[in-house]
Amino acid sequence: DQQVKQNSPSLSVQEGRISILNCDYTNSMFDYFLWYKKYPAEGPTFLISISSIKDKNEDGRFTVFLNKSAKHLSLHIVPSQPGDSAVYFCAASASSGGYQKVTFGTGTKLQVIP
Amino acid sequence: NAGVTQTPKFQVLKTGQSMTLQCAQDMNHNSMYWYRQDPGMGLRLIYYSASEGTTDKGEVPNGYNVSRLNKREFSLRLESAAPSQTSVYFCASTLAANYGYTFGSGTRLTVV
Repeated sequence: DQQVKQNSPSLSVQEGRISILNCDYTNSMFDYFLWYKKYPAEGPTFLISISSIKDKNEDGRFTVFLNKSAKHLSLHIVPSQPGDSAVYFCAASASSGGYQKVTFGTGTKLQVIP
Repeated sequence: NAGVTQTPKFQVLKTGQSMTLQCAQDMNHNSMYWYRQDPGMGLRLIYYSASEGTTDKGEVPNGYNVSRLNKREFSLRLESAAPSQTSVYFCASTLAANYGYTFGSGTRLTVV
């Protein structure tokens, strides 16, 4: 049962344009959502997060939008740069027995074309 | 540099052999985790340690054991390796899950 889904395995975008990465979830108990970025042969790095009480969080070129009614979140990168080429993981967390359990999506590989 | 250090980076094992993956963090984080990453499967939690002295099973614990040696170190042991354990293993730590994890660079394990 994949509770966090990233339905697009890959995405190609021209440099300077907007990249939009999507993520859907099924568990309404998730109360925090995070995005991680991963380069080959490296561990994922935390990028940006959003609480379920908000619908938008912005950090420089990165903005995360949350639509709770649709159980959907998205990461916008504007403008996209070649260095943004990486795999992006969506993650969601929920309290479980006193522990904040985090579930990851399967990732979307973003290629930014110069 | 502050962060999470994993050793080894690469390992090849024969079926039935045992080994321990080491992980250490120097950020004074309370919680530590072991994940495995497989193609098309995302990151799946093997074991976690919410604080020093405690460990709990995650989503895919079978075939693994862990030890939270102290606040800094969290090791993962494969007692009898199987080909299904061929994967990339990541250790991570955090003060609290909603702050985001800091991951190590990973251990690529192949079991033949």
